[in-house]
Amino acid sequence: GQQLNQSPQSMFIQEGEDVSMNCTSSSIFNTWLWYKQEPGEGPVLLIALYKAGELTSNGRLTAQFGITRKDSFLNISASIPSDVGIYFCAGRVSSASKIIFGSGTRLSIRP
Amino acid sequence: EAEVAQSPRYKITEKSQAVAFWCDPISGHATLYWYRQILGQGPELLVQFQDESVVDDSQLPKDRFSAERLKGVDSTLKIQPAELGDSAMYLCASSLVEGLAVTDTQYFGPGTRLTVL
Repeated sequence: GQQLNQSPQSMFIQEGEDVSMNCTSSSIFNTWLWYKQEPGEGPVLLIALYKAGELTSNGRLTAQFGITRKDSFLNISASIPSDVGIYFCAGRVSSASKIIFGSGTRLSIRP
Repeated sequence: EAEVAQSPRYKITEKSQAVAFWCDPISGHATLYWYRQILGQGPELLVQFQDESVVDDSQLPKDRFSAERLKGVDSTLKIQPAELGDSAMYLCASSLVEGLAVTDTQYFGPGTRLTVL
């Protein structure tokens, strides 16, 4: 079945740094989604992307739908402590198919 | 702000016992999902309901798992008998239907963390 490969698996950042993470697939997706999950909570949708090449921002977060439709990127600018959590990419092959999640990128603040 | 409610938040059980989880979606959300999230992985869909009907249960281990949404509102997921490998977070989510399309914005509940001993 379809799988999403998310990298890096984890990263330590210092407050103020910019963060980049990405997600790739062997299949073409027509929807890419980025979620954030904090401890003890369910994932929360951050950004949804529907067109190849689309670039969408949500505050300090910017995500892009890759031109090949097989990848997506999430950038966080000027990170702050509350950015800590696990970021999941997710995608849908077609409007009728289920959403598939990546394995997540764990973001931590370097002490 | 409306939220998806789940209970219990935590459940510890012994293998071979039966467990049940409850979910109350956001009012008006016709679509309800049950996901399983193993530690260190992303959520994996177990079953999707549209109102009271099952739309997708292809990943539900039907020999031991069952799910129902009798009145098209709240839902129950049951495992009988529980096995050690069932230890995971069970997440419920709901979403609106706009026209003929289910929207991509799924609202997740806080989950039930199951530990099978």
